[in-house]
Amino acid sequence: DQQVKQNSPSLSVQEGRISILNCDYTNSMFDYFLWYKKYPAEGPTFLISISSIKDKNEDGRFTVFLNKSAKHLSLHIVPSQPGDSAVYFCAASEEGGGSQGNLIFGKGTKLSVKP
Amino acid sequence: DAGVIQSPRHEVTEMGQEVTLRCKPISGHDYLFWYRQTMMRGLELLIYFNNNVPIDDSGMPEDRFSAKMPNASFSTLKIQPSEPRDSAVYFCASSQVRGLRQFFGPGTRLTVL
Repeated sequence: DQQVKQNSPSLSVQEGRISILNCDYTNSMFDYFLWYKKYPAEGPTFLISISSIKDKNEDGRFTVFLNKSAKHLSLHIVPSQPGDSAVYFCAASEEGGGSQGNLIFGKGTKLSVKP
Repeated sequence: DAGVIQSPRHEVTEMGQEVTLRCKPISGHDYLFWYRQTMMRGLELLIYFNNNVPIDDSGMPEDRFSAKMPNASFSTLKIQPSEPRDSAVYFCASSQVRGLRQFFGPGTRLTVL
């Protein structure tokens, strides 16, 4: 049973427009969420995170929104750039390190930003 | 810091052979994780260590897989004997806190023929 789901395997966006990547989770004990970006032949790199005490966290062009009642988070990239083309993984954990203290990853969404 | 280092970057072997993947975590990180990435299953946690001690190996698919961490700066993941279905990218990651940000190595792409 997947606890973290990224239902869109791929997304194509025009350069300069907004990219919205979505992630759903089922475990209400998750209280810390991360987004990782992965280029081909490289390991995932940390992009941005959010704690459940917040509903929004912003870092430059990247903003993560958390809707706890819907168990949904999204990553917004504005404006999108060709260099943003990568696979984006959503991950969740219980920060307190409980039984789900490890990071649980979604399967990823491949973003393609067209020039 | 050089980040998490993995070797080899690519490994091609024949079915039945032993494969050893290596990882050097970031200095000062108490947690080390081994993941496997496949198209079907995404990123799966295989095993993790805390202070060199294996804590949870429930993700290790079979007894053919084993992992060790003899010291704080080195870990191995061994597959013996290897099978074609083991073909995947294997990542090592380390962190200071278990459920927070992890730093990943570049991965080892394993192909078993």
